[in-house]
Formats: sequence, C-alpha cells, structure tokens
Amino acid sequence: AQSVTQLGSHVSVSEGALVLLRCNYSSSVPPYLFWYVQYPNQGLQLLLKYTTGATLVKGINGFEAEFKKSETSFHLTKPSAHMSDAAEYFCAVSVLRGGADGLTFGKGTHLIIQP
Amino acid sequence: KAGVTQTPRYLIKTRGQQVTLSCSPISGHRSVSWYQQTPGQGLQFLFEYFSETQRNKGNFPGRFSGRQFSNSRSEMNVSTLELGDSALYLCASSLAAGMNTEAFFGQGTRLTVV
Repeated sequence: AQSVTQLGSHVSVSEGALVLLRCNYSSSVPPYLFWYVQYPNQGLQLLLKYTTGATLVKGINGFEAEFKKSETSFHLTKPSAHMSDAAEYFCAVSVLRGGADGLTFGKGTHLIIQP
Repeated sequence: KAGVTQTPRYLIKTRGQQVTLSCSPISGHRSVSWYQQTPGQGLQFLFEYFSETQRNKGNFPGRFSGRQFSNSRSEMNVSTLELGDSALYLCASSLAAGMNTEAFFGQGTRLTVV
C-alpha cells in the first residue's frame, strides 16, 4: 500500500521568502503525485500533479514541485511567499494496480505567512 | 461551468440516526469519489463510483454506503451515526475513473453528530 509523509504540520515563512513544503511517499509501483491546497471552509484545489515525463512540475499560483525517485520525494516550492498563500497544503499519491485506488493524502501542512 | 455541488453544507444529527449526503459532479464527469476529513485522521478515501458502479472502497465500516445515479449524481449514506462520524465529507468528481485524472472537489458537507 502507498503512504505519504508531510514533514512539519505547521510551516511559517515571511512574506517574500521561499516556501518549501516537504512530502515523501512510499509506493511499490510508480506513483502519480499531487499537491492540493485547502482554504478555510473550502474544498481542495489542485495545485499541480506529476504523472509521467518531466520531473519538474509547474502549477498554479507560482508553485512548482520536483519528483525525485531516488529520494521518494515531491517537495513543493514557491520562490516568494504571498499573504494569500496562507492555507493548508496536502500532498497525495495514487497508484494503479489493475483497478485504481483513491488518493492517499498526507496529514497536511498549515502554511503561515508572516507580514 | 458549474463546479462540484454538495448539499447540504452543514448538518447536525443525533447519535443513532442516519444521514444522506448529496454530490452533483461537474457536467460530463462520470466518476465521483468521497472522502472523510477529520482533525485526527486527516483525509481518508471512502469510495469511488463510475457509471453507477462502485469501483473502490476504503477501509470504513459497512455503515458507510453510497450510490451513483444514471446522471452521475451521487449520494452517500451513514447509518447508526456515532460521535466519531463528525467530519467534513468531501466529494470529488473527475472525467474518467481512477485518480490519476484531475479530481475537482466540492466545498464539503460538515456533519456534526451530537
């Protein structure tokens, strides 16, 4: 079975600083990887996804993530944090084993932006 | 294009009762998945429906069930409610079956069991 570990339940950065949210996954087969963002009282919005091909994936709102198979990681970055980035971020993995599994999510990282 | 619509947004029920939640997917989407979100357990996969058939089921007791109609709308039902069923229930729709395609989430139904 697959699993996802997000390091740090809370991450605080200053406005304009680099954002780095860490995600490591475990999967016995090549995974599909996703980052979602959730604002208070809202559903989840897809930021970006990795399926196959280029390992550096660009998403919405200036976010990007790099799939590193050797490190089983899919860390999310943004060069310059904005106040509107404050939200909960979830890393998720999906694998296909004949039938499709649902997404397996990490516990989430709450991103705090300091003015 | 309308997004995923979940009704109701908020619900309060008493232990032992049953509840039905509704999800209308994006027009043209045939796959609907359900997730439970709680502070302790995070986001957990409940089940996925495609073309009125349940394709996958997560590790939840039989009190949790669902169905999908011919118009792709889906309902999930929880019987004999327990306090621990209090959660945000999220529905996601996608064009095809399998979660390697982009899933669009609704705003969720906040269920409180008292």
